[in-house]
Amino acid sequence: DAGVIQSPRHEVTEMGQEVTLRCKPISGHNSLFWYRQTMMRGLELLIYFNNNVPIDDSGMPEDRFSAKMPNASFSTLKIQPSEPRDSAVYFCASSLGLAGGGRPSTDTQYFGPGTRLTVL
Amino acid sequence: SQQGEEDPQALSIQEGENATMNCSYKTSINNLQWYRQNSGRGLVHLILIRSNEREKHSGRLRVTLDTSKKSSSLLITASRAADTASYFCATAGSGAGSYQLTFGKGTKLSVIP
Repeated sequence: DAGVIQSPRHEVTEMGQEVTLRCKPISGHNSLFWYRQTMMRGLELLIYFNNNVPIDDSGMPEDRFSAKMPNASFSTLKIQPSEPRDSAVYFCASSLGLAGGGRPSTDTQYFGPGTRLTVL
Repeated sequence: SQQGEEDPQALSIQEGENATMNCSYKTSINNLQWYRQNSGRGLVHLILIRSNEREKHSGRLRVTLDTSKKSSSLLITASRAADTASYFCATAGSGAGSYQLTFGKGTKLSVIP
């Protein structure tokens, strides 16, 4: 299995530009998570999808952030417009979860390699 | 706020020694997990211990859980230079929002060859 795939691995952009991060979860996993990691705040959950449906986006910092999961094998996290304080490593993770919208599993999460975002 | 808090923040040991990291948390949990993160990489799951378990082993790893003290420890025996990484504990709550893993800020382990 290829594991969770994220692209790009590194992104450098200028303030005000739109940034789109991409994630392909492990095939068969029902749950997908987007995290942000910074030295100051550690690892923060931004949004969680179960069966392609956003369940909890309370961690999304503000309206500049949006996430979609159009199908079971693809998700995007978009920042528009980007700001220097958005600089961080963004991780996508997937887990087996539970089908049918039941109470999600809290078992192992599999992380992608991350996207290091630098906003100048 | 962070649910899991690791202690110490940084640990430096010689190769062959044992490394112990601790994690404390505040609320009731469904399970507690330990992850490793090598520099510039994603997190890798190491071990999961459920709230009704007290100890678990996986290779050179030993995890204990004391729910009465709301604490867990990760022991790495006979450490190797390749164990150099940051180690995070993550707690899964037992309530309605228990899909969410809450991560601590990690212990940075350096194993000196």
